[in-house]
Amino acid sequence: DVKVTQSSRYLVKRTGEKVFLECVQDMDHENMFWYRQDPGLGLRLIYFSYDVKMKEKGDIPEGYSVSREKKERFSLILESASTNQTSMYLCASRPNRGETQYFGPGTRLLVL
Amino acid sequence: AQSVAQPEDQVNVAEGNPLTVKCTYSVSGNPYLFWYVQYPNRGLQFLLKYITGDNLVKGSYGFEAEFNKSQTSFHLKKPSALVSDSALYFCAVRDPRVMTTDSWGKFQFGAGTQVVVTP
Repeated sequence: DVKVTQSSRYLVKRTGEKVFLECVQDMDHENMFWYRQDPGLGLRLIYFSYDVKMKEKGDIPEGYSVSREKKERFSLILESASTNQTSMYLCASRPNRGETQYFGPGTRLLVL
Repeated sequence: AQSVAQPEDQVNVAEGNPLTVKCTYSVSGNPYLFWYVQYPNRGLQFLLKYITGDNLVKGSYGFEAEFNKSQTSFHLKKPSALVSDSALYFCAVRDPRVMTTDSWGKFQFGAGTQVVVTP
């Protein structure tokens, strides 16, 4: 069964903290994505990766970075968290030979 | 550039009545189109997709969608709604020509439509 897991369901951090969001997929997919979801805005792509150690900026990369050292793991990093980064963060993966993205359960981040 | 619009923030329907969730898109070429559903505090679940072929696509949980190229629409439908269909629905589009690598394309998601099915 397809599975994408995210390290935390809920996270509370303070302004200025460094935040790590982890995503792991067990489907051997080449492509992985980080989105943030905000009411009325839908899903917006932050970063994606099409291979190990490869990354590409999405639509809203400012304030974020990513790391993909292993195929199954894609990390989103907030170098210095700010209140406007309070959001739901969704990870997804997709194989090269396939069209469907598979999503994790999401991490709801609150930055105080 | 590709884009997708979901014109309704919320759709209210009584249980047993037909359900329609609207989606229109804008891409330069032939689009790949998707519908996802999100239940409260959960990730997105895939419902159905249109890549090529028959314009009427059948998906999970009794949902279907019709691709209409002339109207650039991909509306989601269910003949008889259930209370358990209450959720947030997202339409997504991908232009298969927009690629940076061999099998890559970015998805554009709509803002989402909240479906409320009342007993």
